[in-house]
Amino acid sequence: AQSVTQPDIHITVSEGASLELRCNYSYGATPYLFWYVQSPGQGLQLLLKYFSGDTLVQGIKGFEAEFKRSQSSFNLRKPSVHWSDAAEYFCAVGVAGTGRRALTFGSGTRLQVQP
Amino acid sequence: GAVVSQHPSWVICKSGTSVKIECRSLDFQATTMFWYRQFPKQSLMLMATSNEGSKATYEQGVEKDKFLINHASLTLSTLTVTSAHPEDSSFYICSAVTSGGRTDTQYFGPGTRLTVL
Repeated sequence: AQSVTQPDIHITVSEGASLELRCNYSYGATPYLFWYVQSPGQGLQLLLKYFSGDTLVQGIKGFEAEFKRSQSSFNLRKPSVHWSDAAEYFCAVGVAGTGRRALTFGSGTRLQVQP
Repeated sequence: GAVVSQHPSWVICKSGTSVKIECRSLDFQATTMFWYRQFPKQSLMLMATSNEGSKATYEQGVEKDKFLINHASLTLSTLTVTSAHPEDSSFYICSAVTSGGRTDTQYFGPGTRLTVL
């Protein structure tokens, strides 16, 4: 079965600093990978997704992620964090070709932004 | 595009009563919708997969008689928590899948917070 690990439970960065949130997945074949953001008491908003092709994926709000097959990673990055980016971030993996379309989520990383 | 709504956004009920939560895809048709449950400061746990016109598929450990799912149309799925108890208090989130050929993207609703007294 597939699994997703987000090693960092909580990260604090200063506004304007760069950000990298880590995500590692476990799956035998090429997965579909997603990053979602959740503000307190809200649902999830899709930031970006990777299905195939270019391993560097651009998303909304200035986020990007890079798929590295050799490291089984899909880390999320942003060059300059804004205070409004404070939220919970979830990495998720979907499985291709099995008919199972549900996502498996990581445990999440809470981002705090200091002024 | 790809907007998913949930109603109600929050509900408080007495123990023993039933609560229905609606999930709608507003601008697309979704043959598949998912229901997740999220406890405070935790990740989303899949409860069931809802397919239009057929019975829902429940994850292991989820009581299908307690969490009734109906997917009556391509834009609406409902989750009914029957005989709710305080341990059912949680944040329930649905998602709907758009199909882009061989790839699918899930779009999530804003969630429903259920509090059972």
